[in-house]
Amino acid sequence: AQKITQTQPGMFVQEKEAVTLDCTYDTSDPSYGLFWYKQPSSGEMIFLIYQGSYDQQNATEGRYSLNFQKARKSANLVISASQLGDSAMYFCAMREGGGYSTLTFGKGTMLLVSP
Amino acid sequence: DTGVSQDPRHKITKRGQNVTFRCDPISEHNRLYWYRQTLGQGPEFLTYFQNEAQLEKSRLLSDRFSAERPKGSFSTLEIQRTEQGDSAMYLCASSLKRGNTDTQYFGPGTRLTVL
Repeated sequence: AQKITQTQPGMFVQEKEAVTLDCTYDTSDPSYGLFWYKQPSSGEMIFLIYQGSYDQQNATEGRYSLNFQKARKSANLVISASQLGDSAMYFCAMREGGGYSTLTFGKGTMLLVSP
Repeated sequence: DTGVSQDPRHKITKRGQNVTFRCDPISEHNRLYWYRQTLGQGPEFLTYFQNEAQLEKSRLLSDRFSAERPKGSFSTLEIQRTEQGDSAMYLCASSLKRGNTDTQYFGPGTRLTVL
């Protein structure tokens, strides 16, 4: 079974609107972390937001928020007030356990923001 | 504060040649990771260093691949006798564990094309 599933290959949104990118995960480890990264066409992976499995509140970072539903094993990224510069690939990733932290990535969602 | 840097950004080589990539992590980060990303996929873990010790290698890392981090600072990834299947983006990341958080910050990647 895939550990990280991103079911939306592509998403379209108009500028200034909000968009939700889906991510579900699979782990039996009670301690884990969930990350979202943005990858523009230049190739660099840019860290956006982190949610720990024991965090009580949903993470927020500026226009990014993480809708964490632990029982459903979902960690959706919400981008508010989309901007043209948000057009990029978005990857959800998971770290399992509390030790060293290699990341397992999903296949990504391509977001296109139109004027 | 400079980020993770990688050199070269692009490499074109002929099948059978050896190539070496370099990664310079964020200066205070003691953990360094190599990932490989092929078209349409998320990054896949290759290997991980804590300081100068190589603590884990993925089964993706065949005998033709070797990585070093001799003084716990920069790292090199060498691929011997390159094959066309080695064509990919090679990403380096670094991190510093703070409490329960261990966020990886990525470099711009080295795009390898094997002809």
